[in-house]
Amino acid sequence: DIQMTQSPSSLSASVGDRVTITCRASQGIRNDLGWYQQKPGKAPKRLIYAASSLQSGVPSRFSGSGSGTEFTLTISSLQPEDFATYYCLQYNSCPLTFGGGTKVEIK
Amino acid sequence: EVQLVESGGGLVEPGGSLRLSCAASGFTFSNAWMSWVRQAPGKGLEWVGRIKSKTDGGTTDYAAPVKGRFTISRDDSNNTLYLQMNSLKTEDTAVYYCTTISNWGQGTLVTVSA
Repeated sequence: DIQMTQSPSSLSASVGDRVTITCRASQGIRNDLGWYQQKPGKAPKRLIYAASSLQSGVPSRFSGSGSGTEFTLTISSLQPEDFATYYCLQYNSCPLTFGGGTKVEIK
Repeated sequence: EVQLVESGGGLVEPGGSLRLSCAASGFTFSNAWMSWVRQAPGKGLEWVGRIKSKTDGGTTDYAAPVKGRFTISRDDSNNTLYLQMNSLKTEDTAVYYCTTISNWGQGTLVTVSA
């Protein structure tokens, strides 16, 4: 199974800050990775697919990069509505596996 | 608009069974590979299993914790996905989501408790 190690597990940031979240795969997954945002009590929402493609309707302050084993989600200027938990998901091979999540909190 | 609506959750005793349904609309369901993902209270997301489209073989894959106990099936004529859960354990307590991986339902809560 492919393990997805996500870091940090939590972070505190202010509105306007640049935020970076990382996922590392235990083996190469090409660019078969998505990033999701989840708010309390709600279903996850996909932000990024294929490692760097922005989902339709998602603000351009979100971006993804990486390939192989190292991936990054960047929020260029954190907005109040971005405080949430973020997950990566590899879909290169079964079982699909999620990172452990990063909770982005208000500083 | 893509819609995925889960139903069938509830309270069940350990060792019991439950069947979840997911009604899909707004896309060509028969062409979609569909997954179930769960989230235990206060925990992260866990992939449960997947069924491919019939044109891609219609095969299923499962996560180790549920293999042999859970079965995913689909009814393309009614645009519905199913999750049959048998021999339920307390650790199966979670919100269960139906997903194409891009689109998600709102989830249905399954509680396994005596």
